[in-house]
Amino acid sequence: EVQLVESGGGLVQPGGSLRLSCAASGFSFSTYWMQWVRQAPGKGLEWVAAIKEDGSEKYYVDSVKGRFTISRDNAKNSLYLQMNSLRVEDTAVYYCARVVSHYDVSDYWGQGTLVTVSS
Amino acid sequence: EIVLTQSPATLSLSPGERATLSCRASQSVSSYLAWYQQKRGQAPRLLIYDASNRATGIPARFSGSGSGTDFTLTISSLEPEDFAVYYCQHRTTFGQGTKVEIK
Repeated sequence: EVQLVESGGGLVQPGGSLRLSCAASGFSFSTYWMQWVRQAPGKGLEWVAAIKEDGSEKYYVDSVKGRFTISRDNAKNSLYLQMNSLRVEDTAVYYCARVVSHYDVSDYWGQGTLVTVSS
Repeated sequence: EIVLTQSPATLSLSPGERATLSCRASQSVSSYLAWYQQKRGQAPRLLIYDASNRATGIPARFSGSGSGTDFTLTISSLEPEDFAVYYCQHRTTFGQGTKVEIK
């Protein structure tokens, strides 16, 4: 059974940092692109970042470029999102998701982890 | 950048009724469009990919159609568990969502 389990969310002050993790199981993690998608409270879905199977390509939404870093450890079946210089507008539930098509369709999603940026 | 516009924003229907949701792309996306369902407090669930293919385990009452710029998600007969928010997606862009609520 495919499982994605996020962790690492919490309350952080503006300007602070957090590192999100996503533990994958039930599939061959190293053969899939992975991505992070977020959802601000009461809002829609927003794609955040994606990473190639071997980590050699990474893509970000403009609003997080230079502040967030997506990475993965295929030996540990884990996906990460390092978030620095956090802003109030980064407050959201962050989902990790498995990518199954060339146009970024995700067939499995984690349950999400809440990041709250507030003073 | 492609923009996806969903309509209506809210659809008020009764169980057993037919739901028709629209997603319009600002430029052609061929058949590369997916639909997701999201219930309150849950992660999105893939329903349809490549515009018209049901994902694994999705009931036959869900169907997708369209190509180019105009797409439709149809729920033939609403079940109580179908009342949720539905999103279309192409690459890194999501539509703003359509909420299907109980009338």
